[in-house]
Amino acid sequence: DVKVTQSSRYLVKRTGEKVFLECVQDMDHENMFWYRQDPGLGLRLIYFSYDVKMKEKGDIPEGYSVSREKKERFSLILESASTNQTSMYLCASSFYEGAGTSGGLNEQFFGPGTRLTVL
Amino acid sequence: GDSVTQMEGPVTLSEEAFLTINCTYTATGYPSLFWYVQYPGEGLQLLLKATKADDKGSNKGFEATYRKETTSFHLEKGSVQVSDSAVYFCALSPYTGNQFYFGTGTSLTVIP
Repeated sequence: DVKVTQSSRYLVKRTGEKVFLECVQDMDHENMFWYRQDPGLGLRLIYFSYDVKMKEKGDIPEGYSVSREKKERFSLILESASTNQTSMYLCASSFYEGAGTSGGLNEQFFGPGTRLTVL
Repeated sequence: GDSVTQMEGPVTLSEEAFLTINCTYTATGYPSLFWYVQYPGEGLQLLLKATKADDKGSNKGFEATYRKETTSFHLEKGSVQVSDSAVYFCALSPYTGNQFYFGTGTSLTVIP
């Protein structure tokens, strides 16, 4: 079974702190994603990565950065946490449908989520 | 651009009722289509998928058929249970590229 793990299920931080959310997948997937989920807004893509050291901005990258130094690990960084970043954060990984990168993405596999509260 | 539109909730049903959650999509070419389920306090998990027109995905009594002519992928279950209470997301993966598009989710509550 594919497994995607996230470093914490619950996290409480103070405004201005630097916050690291870690995500690890064990199936050698090329693609990894960070989303945030808020009531009434569904899932919103923050950043994604299609290879080691590669990253692309999603829909709401402001206030966040990411790091992918190894294929299995994708970190989300809140440089200076703010109360409006209180949310559920979901990590996901995926592989390409076809050979190489010629196809679209196959299903995404999600971690259990990290509920972050910024006070 | 590519997108997914799904029925807004919340939906409340009695146990053993019939469930339909509508999902329509906009995409070029032939995307893959998915339904995910999220139980309280958990991440999303794949419920079913279909990768080409007229395919039917099924799992745990849920079904959805990929209808290219109506650009739809509606989720159905003949008899819901209390344990089906969750949020359901319709999603799309375009034919090429590395993006994924989710609907806004539909909350289902099944009462005994």
